[in-house]
Amino acid sequence: GENVEQHPSTLSVQEGDSAVIKCTYSDSASNYFPWYKQELGKGPQLIIDIRSNVGEKKDQRIAVTLNKTAKHFSLHITETQPEDSAVYFCAASKVQGAQKLVFGQGTRLTINP
Amino acid sequence: NAGVTQTPKFRILKIGQSMTLQCTQDMNHNYMYWYRQDPGMGLKLIYYSVGAGITDKGEVPNGYNVSRSTTEDFPLRLELAAPSQTSVYFCASSYDPGSQETQYFGPGTRLLVL
Repeated sequence: GENVEQHPSTLSVQEGDSAVIKCTYSDSASNYFPWYKQELGKGPQLIIDIRSNVGEKKDQRIAVTLNKTAKHFSLHITETQPEDSAVYFCAASKVQGAQKLVFGQGTRLTINP
Repeated sequence: NAGVTQTPKFRILKIGQSMTLQCTQDMNHNYMYWYRQDPGMGLKLIYYSVGAGITDKGEVPNGYNVSRSTTEDFPLRLELAAPSQTSVYFCASSYDPGSQETQYFGPGTRLLVL
């Protein structure tokens, strides 16, 4: 089955700097890669996603890149702000009927003022 | 819309007790999912449903049961609680994954088995 590895487990950056979180996946048939943000005591919330027919996607300060050959994808947050502090999860799945997401272990991002 | 709601928010169970975690969504979503999140880890899929009357196992189904009698509700049943089931449980729903529809998550139920 699919296995998703996420690095780093913790990341601390200065406000205004960029943050990058990386994930690798094992199943070449996976074709959907979402990123979720989880704040303390809350459920995960989708922040951006990408499908395997696209190499990069951007939404304001957030971007995701996908390298299908190497089977890895990354989340890029630019001009970080204190409210970006949270735990971020990557996930992968095949979109065939139900979306059975396999999650990475999570990255705790801390933005230092 | 309230989105995805879960009850209770927190529960302590003794070993061997049973309980049902409730999940309701008001978005008319066909697909519903149950995940568990252990401390410091990502979420793991327990069970999922593609519509009323249809359920299937996910990655970690042992010790759990589900049913889906209506589109709105997807309860998760623990029959004989074990310490290994101490976790935070999240319910999620989506309309149609094939149309790039994301999963919306509930706020979670924190379960402690002692």
